[in-house]
Amino acid sequence: QLQLQESGPGLVKPSETLSLTCTVSGGSIISSGDYWGWIRQPPGKGLEWIGSIYYGGNTYNNPSLKSRVTISVDTSKSQFSLRLTSVTAADTAVYHCARHRNGQVTYWGQGTLVTVSS
Amino acid sequence: QSALTQPASVSGSPGQSITISCTGTSSDVGGYNYVSWYQHHPGKAPKLIIYDVNNRPSGVSNRFSGSKSGNTASLTISGLQAEDEADFYCSSFTSSSSTLVVFGGGTKLTVL
Repeated sequence: QLQLQESGPGLVKPSETLSLTCTVSGGSIISSGDYWGWIRQPPGKGLEWIGSIYYGGNTYNNPSLKSRVTISVDTSKSQFSLRLTSVTAADTAVYHCARHRNGQVTYWGQGTLVTVSS
Repeated sequence: QSALTQPASVSGSPGQSITISCTGTSSDVGGYNYVSWYQHHPGKAPKLIIYDVNNRPSGVSNRFSGSKSGNTASLTISGLQAEDEADFYCSSFTSSSSTLVVFGGGTKLTVL
């Protein structure tokens, strides 16, 4: 059974960079047709797709966040990572990593709360 | 990127049926049969309950069903049970400006 686990700091200061890593186990990150993405949910709000990466390195980002988002993959470690720069309180959210195909999420990480506060 | 449009809330009594709509555009819902639905209980990971408009993953109750007409997809839950109370989200593949995924704003289902 595929499992995804997010890791990273739970508290980030305003204007700094949020960095999270997702470790994939129970399956290969090199999977034809599958994309590895980040999805967040601010408190009291809905789900927002942040961006995704293919194992070959092609990336796709939400235009509303595009200039602040970098997603990378390390196939040797079965990990992919998110960097979100210049964070503000509006970036406080539960961040999920996920696997999706054709825009449909088949596996979700449990999620990790990241709070932006000084 | 505009979110798909869902009603903020729906409610129903045990045993009844409810339907949640998800309206998009021809660039997402209307253009592809890649609409999915997720059930989300607070504090847990969302659970895929419908994919490819009307398919259920193994283990998902047949009380959940999906459909699509034009730019609007729908999720129907029949025989409502107390444990169905949750937030429900739709998503779709999208061909809009280098994005891949668009979500609906979510619908809170209350079982009365």
